[in-house]
Amino acid sequence: AQSVTQPDARVTVSEGASLQLRCKYSYFGTPYLFWYVQYPRQGLQLLLKYYPGDPVVQGVNGFEAEFSKSNSSFHLRKASVHWSDWAVYFCAVRGAGNKLTFGIGTRVLVRP
Amino acid sequence: EAGVTQSPRYAVLQEGQAVSFWCDPISGHDTLYWYQQPRDQGPQLLVYFRDEAVIDNSQLPSDRFSAVRPKGTNSTLKIQSAKQGDTATYLCASSRSGNTLYFGEGSRLIVV
Repeated sequence: AQSVTQPDARVTVSEGASLQLRCKYSYFGTPYLFWYVQYPRQGLQLLLKYYPGDPVVQGVNGFEAEFSKSNSSFHLRKASVHWSDWAVYFCAVRGAGNKLTFGIGTRVLVRP
Repeated sequence: EAGVTQSPRYAVLQEGQAVSFWCDPISGHDTLYWYQQPRDQGPQLLVYFRDEAVIDNSQLPSDRFSAVRPKGTNSTLKIQSAKQGDTATYLCASSRSGNTLYFGEGSRLIVV
């Protein structure tokens, strides 16, 4: 069965600094991978998705992610964090039936 | 295009009471998912439908949880005899033919 590990439960970053959130996946075959963001008291919103092809994927609001098959990773990056990026970020892998398996999430706190 | 709509947004119950959550997916989306998201955890799939048919309900606690989608559009998730362990946010998502999942804002349940 597929799984996703997000090793960092919480990350604190200063506004304007760069951000990287780690995601490791376990999947037999070629994975389809996703990053979602959850703002306070809201549902999940899609940031970006990886379908087999270019390993670097661009998303909304300046986010990008890089797929690595050798490392079984799909890390999320942003060059310059804004206060509005304060949220919880979830990595997910798609399995049979288009079912998504999520990690536990990484909470990003932004210091002014 | 309207997004996924869920109601109620909040519910507070005593143990043993029942509650129903309602979901209106994006128009034209044939697949509908219900996820349970305990506090500080990632969403976990409970059940999903394609049109009116249940495709997978293996993670649905069948003794107290039930879900229906009678006309292949709106869906209802019902919890009978709620327990404190059911405290979570219940997320509905929809997709068109196995493509990207779009989530509603969720229904937050507290069982005291």
